[in-house]
Amino acid sequence: AQTVTQSQPEMSVQEAETVTLSCTYDTSESDYYLFWYKQPPSRQMILVIRQEAYKQQNATENRFSVNFQKAAKSFSLKISDSQLGDAAMYFCAYKGGNEKLTFGTGTRLTIIP
Amino acid sequence: NAGVTQTPKFQVLKTGQSMTLQCAQDMNHNSMYWYRQDPGMGLRLIYYSASEGTTDKGEVPNGYNVSRLNKREFSLRLESAAPSQTSVYFCASSDRKDSKFNQPQHFGDGTRLSIL
Repeated sequence: AQTVTQSQPEMSVQEAETVTLSCTYDTSESDYYLFWYKQPPSRQMILVIRQEAYKQQNATENRFSVNFQKAAKSFSLKISDSQLGDAAMYFCAYKGGNEKLTFGTGTRLTIIP
Repeated sequence: NAGVTQTPKFQVLKTGQSMTLQCAQDMNHNSMYWYRQDPGMGLRLIYYSASEGTTDKGEVPNGYNVSRLNKREFSLRLESAAPSQTSVYFCASSDRKDSKFNQPQHFGDGTRLSIL
């Protein structure tokens, strides 16, 4: 079974600085998809960014980018120019060759004004 | 844009009571899911439905039943609620593209359920 590990329960960053959230996963599949979701205090689950394993190029979405290292099974999220609205729980998630999405335990990100 | 709608948003039950959580999506997605979220444990899959008329167990199915009523609706039932089922429940939906499971899941706003 696939597992997703987020080893940083909490992180903090100064406003306007850059922060990187870590995620590693374990799988025997070669074709899979990786996602980062954001959950603000409102409890909504919001898709931040996604990466397809067969693509070597790292995905970017405005201030959000990933560092995808397939051999190392690592999928970190970098947030540049951090804003107060970025404060949330961030979940890394894995989807392989079936319907199921496996989540990590999350990282709580605090933005320091 | 409604997306995925869950009802109710909050509910308090007594041990042994039954309840059905409702979920509906208006994105014409084939797949629907139920998760529970507990502190420090992320989201765990309870049941999912890959298409109308089919359902499959996820990681934590015990104590729950589901019904895929039609393509839009997927309900989760607690037949005899237990305090261990106190949690936040999320419904989600997604679709496939080019027969691949590469599309993200869209989530409802969650139901906070407390069992006393």
